[in-house]
Amino acid sequence: DVKVTQSSRYLVKRTGEKVFLECVQDMDHENMFWYRQDPGLGLRLIYFSYDVKMKEKGDIPEGYSVSREKKERFSLILESASTNQTSMYLCASPEGPSYEQYFGPGTRLTVT
Amino acid sequence: AQKVTQAQTEISVVEKEDVTLDCVYETRDTTYYLFWYKQPPSGELVFLIRRNSFDEQNEISGRYSWNFQKSTSSFNFTITASQVVDSAVYFCALSEANDYKLSFGAGTTVTVRA
Repeated sequence: DVKVTQSSRYLVKRTGEKVFLECVQDMDHENMFWYRQDPGLGLRLIYFSYDVKMKEKGDIPEGYSVSREKKERFSLILESASTNQTSMYLCASPEGPSYEQYFGPGTRLTVT
Repeated sequence: AQKVTQAQTEISVVEKEDVTLDCVYETRDTTYYLFWYKQPPSGELVFLIRRNSFDEQNEISGRYSWNFQKSTSSFNFTITASQVVDSAVYFCALSEANDYKLSFGAGTTVTVRA
């Protein structure tokens, strides 16, 4: 069964903290994505990765960075968390180009 | 640039009513793919359907049906005889050919009341 897992369902962090969100997929997919979801805005792409150690900026990369040291793991990093980064973060991995993306359960991050 | 619009923010219906969710898209490509996802209160997005731009046949899967009309750039989704378990946020999305990226609409929240 296809699976994407995320390290935390809920996370509360303080302004200025460094935050790591972890995502693991067991499908041996090359591509992995990070989105944030906000009410009325849908899902917006933050970063994606086509392969190990490769990364590309999405539509809203400011304030974020990523790491992909192993094929199955894709980490999203908030170098210095701010309150406007309070959001739902979703990791996804597609089967192929123009194919459906498989999503993790999401991490609801609150920055206070 | 591609764009997906879901004009309905929220829809509330009573159980057994039909509900139709609208999705309008923009793309310059002739080959593209359209998707619908469901996000129940648990939060995980569930894939519902993928449709390519060359296949305009309507699709029915149980109580779900989809109407794809290229002439109006729409890919609408209907839930027939809605049930409380259909309460969720529904997203329409678009991918251009050979692109891994998806562009999502803002989502429509459906509430089905018993």
